[in-house]
Amino acid sequence: GQNIDQPTEMTATEGAIVQINCTYQTSGFNGLFWYQQHAGEAPTFLSYNVLDGLEEKGRFSSFLSRSKGYSYLLLKELQMKDSASYLCAVRARDYSNYQLIWGAGTKLIIKP
Amino acid sequence: SAVISQKPSRDICQRGTSLTIQCQVDSQVTMMFWYRQQPGQSLTLIATANQGSEATYESGFVIDKFPISRPNLTFSTLTVSNMSPEDSSIYLCSVEGAIGAEAFFGQGTRLTVV
Repeated sequence: GQNIDQPTEMTATEGAIVQINCTYQTSGFNGLFWYQQHAGEAPTFLSYNVLDGLEEKGRFSSFLSRSKGYSYLLLKELQMKDSASYLCAVRARDYSNYQLIWGAGTKLIIKP
Repeated sequence: SAVISQKPSRDICQRGTSLTIQCQVDSQVTMMFWYRQQPGQSLTLIATANQGSEATYESGFVIDKFPISRPNLTFSTLTVSNMSPEDSSIYLCSVEGAIGAEAFFGQGTRLTVV
């Protein structure tokens, strides 16, 4: 079966760094995505990894290890507006199609 | 990128009635996806809508309950039929680019059934 695990909730302090982990077990792999979702809003794209290694984009970085079925999203210089849910999604093979499989999301709470 | 206009943004409906949600995309796309997101949970795919063919439904979702239309390459509707309070959720439409491209979402429809 297809499975994605990420922590339910994390708390961090404004200005600090936080790492949100995601592990996956899927049939086939064609990329891993991270999305940010503020309460009551639609998810917005943050990053995409298809090869092993680190992708950096401003304050956000995402890492992938395909052999370990593992990714993390690293958020630096945390701001209050970073309080949101962070969704890990894997494009995996489902029958003849590649389908996005979604994790349950990690709710990140930023404290002053 | 793609811009998706989804409406209504929210509605409160009586049980037993039906609600149709519309999504308009600013470009032609082959597949559109309909998701449900219950409070505090992640996205659950309801069905994939292809233009010119019947939608493909995921396990646990049936056409009688969630009929979908896809009349052209820029538009789709999802109807939530014979609603019950268990249908209260956020419904999202989405489009995806190539396999390596990200998904884009409509603004979501927050449905409350009373």
